[in-house]
Formats: sequence, C-alpha cells, structure tokens
Amino acid sequence: SYELTQPPSVSVSPGQTARITCSGDALPKQYAYWYQQKPGQAPVLVIYKDSERPSGIPERFSGSSSGTTVTLTISGVQAEDEADYYCQSADSSGTYGVVFGGGTKLTVL
Amino acid sequence: EVQLVESGGGLVQPGGSLRLSCAASGFTVSSNYMSWVRQAPGKGLEWVSVIYSGGSTYYADSVKGRFTISRDNSKNTLYLQMNSLRAEDTAVYYCARVGLDSTSFDYWGQGTLVTVSS
Repeated sequence: SYELTQPPSVSVSPGQTARITCSGDALPKQYAYWYQQKPGQAPVLVIYKDSERPSGIPERFSGSSSGTTVTLTISGVQAEDEADYYCQSADSSGTYGVVFGGGTKLTVL
Repeated sequence: EVQLVESGGGLVQPGGSLRLSCAASGFTVSSNYMSWVRQAPGKGLEWVSVIYSGGSTYYADSVKGRFTISRDNSKNTLYLQMNSLRAEDTAVYYCARVGLDSTSFDYWGQGTLVTVSS
C-alpha cells in the first residue's frame, strides 16, 4: 500500500525555523495536508492543499511541495509549537483511501 | 460552532463488539463526508472509514468486513459498529468531518478510547 515517510523527530531552538518533510511517490499528483497534535488532544489541520492555511492558523506555518516531497515550515518557532506533526494525502491506489505519515515529533529546545 | 462528541468506547474482550457514536452540532452530518480515524497508544494516525453524503462507504483493509460506518440523519449522529474486535484494534477513535476537498479532516472530535483485552 501507499506510504508517506516522515522523519521521527526534529529539534529546533525558539525563534528558529523548523522544517518537517514528508515523502511519497504520489505526492506530485496528490495534495498534501498537515496536522498538529499536542499530547492528549485531537489533531488540528494546519495546512491543506500543500500550502493553504486554514483560518486561525498562525502565519508562521507554511507548506510547500517539490516533486515527491512536501515540507511543513514553521518560522520563528515558539514553545507552544512543540507537538507531533502528521502529513496526509489521498491513497489513489483504490476507490477511496487516506494515508498518514508516521508523524514527526517537534521538540523546541 | 462545529462540534463533534464521541462516545461508546470502553473495554471489550477479543471477538466482542462495540458501537461508537459521534454526535455532531453546528453542521449537518448527512450533507458532509464523515470519517473515523484511530490512533493506537503511542502510535500514529490511521484512517478507518468514510461515509459519503450520498451514502457510499469505504473502509481500510484492516477493518473491512468487521466494521460498519453509518449515520442517523434525524439525530445528526455518526456511528461505527465494530465487530470481531482484536487486540490490534485498541486505539483512540476520532470522528472527523471531511473538508470540501474530500480528503482533509477539518474538524475532529475529542476521541473515545477502545481497549480490546481479556
């Protein structure tokens, strides 16, 4: 089945820029989405359609796409951004399906 | 304001059944695609099932033939009937509204924990 690959962890100091990547063969043809999940909470959509930001999501969150890799960038990281981040895309191999990446733990040092 | 509230989780023995509910407010369930997504303890997110506004349903291979997604339009509620439960079904189950792009999940409930153990 289709897979999305993320690094298990990323660490960054406050005020710096964090970049979290997600790789998948179908990403050139399918949009990617990003979710933030803090401990004990439900995921929150932070980026949709590769680079669009839902209302209420801070401008420091941005997304980009290049070939088989999409990237979530958090500029000027704040302590409150420490969380797990998941990429997601459609699984085009069947009639309907959704696939998530394994998740990346962002640690703010 | 959009809200999703799950209920029905609990401890069940292997081979048993459980029905999860997701009460929605602030929008109409039957006019949207709705999904269930689960998360095993300490693990990542796994899509489980979707029901289209037209009523079509789809399932992940891991639950196909054992789980059934449905909705009650009069109660504005989504359900997940889970049969033949296995230890590997232990997870927090979230209901989520599918966004207008038919792929993203724009609103999530708080989740309900299902534990399958003897």
